[in-house]
Amino acid sequence: GEDVEQSLFLSVREGDSSVINCTYTDSSSTYLYWYKQEPGAGLQLLTYIFSNMDMKQDQRLTVLLNKKDKHLSLRIADTQTGDSAIYFCAERKTPLVFGKGTRLSVIA
Amino acid sequence: NAGVTQTPKFRVLKTGQSMTLLCAQDMNHEYMYWYRQDPGMGLRLIHYSVGEGTTAKGEVPDGYNVSRLKKQNFLLGLESAAPSQTSVYFCASSYPRPVRGGEAFFGQGTRLTVV
Repeated sequence: GEDVEQSLFLSVREGDSSVINCTYTDSSSTYLYWYKQEPGAGLQLLTYIFSNMDMKQDQRLTVLLNKKDKHLSLRIADTQTGDSAIYFCAERKTPLVFGKGTRLSVIA
Repeated sequence: NAGVTQTPKFRVLKTGQSMTLLCAQDMNHEYMYWYRQDPGMGLRLIHYSVGEGTTAKGEVPDGYNVSRLKKQNFLLGLESAAPSQTSVYFCASSYPRPVRGGEAFFGQGTRLTVV
C-alpha cells in the first residue's frame, strides 16, 4: 500500500460536503477506484474512473482525476450519517494497490 | 449470487497452532488475493494468485502459505500461528483485465485472534 497515499481521518458535519484525497504513483494506471468499508464488513466498490476521464459524477459522488499530479479525489455531497465508513483509494495494477484508507466521521 | 465467501468468520487460535482459511468465489475470476487489515495499516497484501495453480508473494508473506488448486478456491494457511498474526483477513477476486472496471470483489472477512 505504499504506492497510494491518503489522509487517515476526516470529520464533517451532516449536510456538508466531504472531500477525500488520494495520490498515486503509477501514471500508467488505467483504472482508479474508490471502495467503501462499513464497520464489520468487507470492502465494496463505490465508484471508479478510467484514466482518460477527468471527472465522473454518480448521484452524490463526484470523482476528480488529475493525471498530471497523480491526484484523485472523491467528493460526497450532502454527507449523511450513513456515509460514515472507511474509504479506500486503489489503482489498477497486478495486484491491486490500496491506500491505507480514510476514516470519515459524520457529525449529526 | 454468493460472490466471495470466506470461512470461518471468526477463530481463536493458540500460539503455535495451525489453521487454514478458505476463500471461494463463484464469479469465474482469474485473480484472487489475500489481505490482512490492521488498525492504521490499511490493507496489506499477503499472497495472490493470477490463475489456477499459480501463487505469488505480496507485501507481507512471511508466516503464511497459500494454494490455488481449483480456480474458484484460494486457501491461506498459517503453519504456526503467532500473536502478530491477530488480524482481520480479507479475500478478494477480480478479472485479469478491466471488465466493467475490473474491480475486486471482497469477502466479509475472517477475524482471527491468536492468544
